[in-house]
Amino acid sequence: ETGVTQTPRHLVMGMTNKKSLKCEQHLGHNAMYWYKQSAKKPLELMFVYSLEERVENNSVPSRFSPECPNSSHLFLHLHTLQPEDSALYLCASSQELGGVLETQYFGPGTRLLVL
Amino acid sequence: DAKTTQPPSMDCAEGRAANLPCNHSTISGNEYVYWYRQIHSQGPQYIIHGLKNNETNEMASLIITEDRKSSTLILPHATLRDTAVYYCIVRVGNTGNQFYFGTGTSLTVIP
Repeated sequence: ETGVTQTPRHLVMGMTNKKSLKCEQHLGHNAMYWYKQSAKKPLELMFVYSLEERVENNSVPSRFSPECPNSSHLFLHLHTLQPEDSALYLCASSQELGGVLETQYFGPGTRLLVL
Repeated sequence: DAKTTQPPSMDCAEGRAANLPCNHSTISGNEYVYWYRQIHSQGPQYIIHGLKNNETNEMASLIITEDRKSSTLILPHATLRDTAVYYCIVRVGNTGNQFYFGTGTSLTVIP
């Protein structure tokens, strides 16, 4: 499945670093999502974008900053993270928001470790 | 808030059908039931979805009871590669942009 790609696949960063996660979808979709999956916990929705506009922000700390320059690309900028932010970060896309067109397709994720 | 209930784990012999149950007794009339699976450390993979009719695709079959309060995902001939966590999801919220994945069922296919 190469519809949604994420880079890097693994990232180790210190608490003072700034890094960015990249997601790209090749499906012609209009909506994109960031999720966080911590060990032994359910997926947590972080951000939702539709046609490059943010439509959902689930009380995510400001040290996570999303950016959607176009409908194919989504970034998650990271700065001054904490060790508890270590997790698998997943990107997904869907054709549209709402209804059955919101079936989401996921990328492989970025495994982040904050030291 | 979870709207679905799934057993935490199940085993299935390789080559046999895997039947994964899900209860969603509070489902409303216009909510779809979705199934995803997640193989260890990978992104979730869409399997199938349905509203009230049974559905089948190349991966699985979805059987939804007439009252829509429960459903069963059927993998007709389980293989070792089907070992994964399976999530039953009912759309949460009217805006349609919340998928609550819950903790799912960890299916182990045994040789």
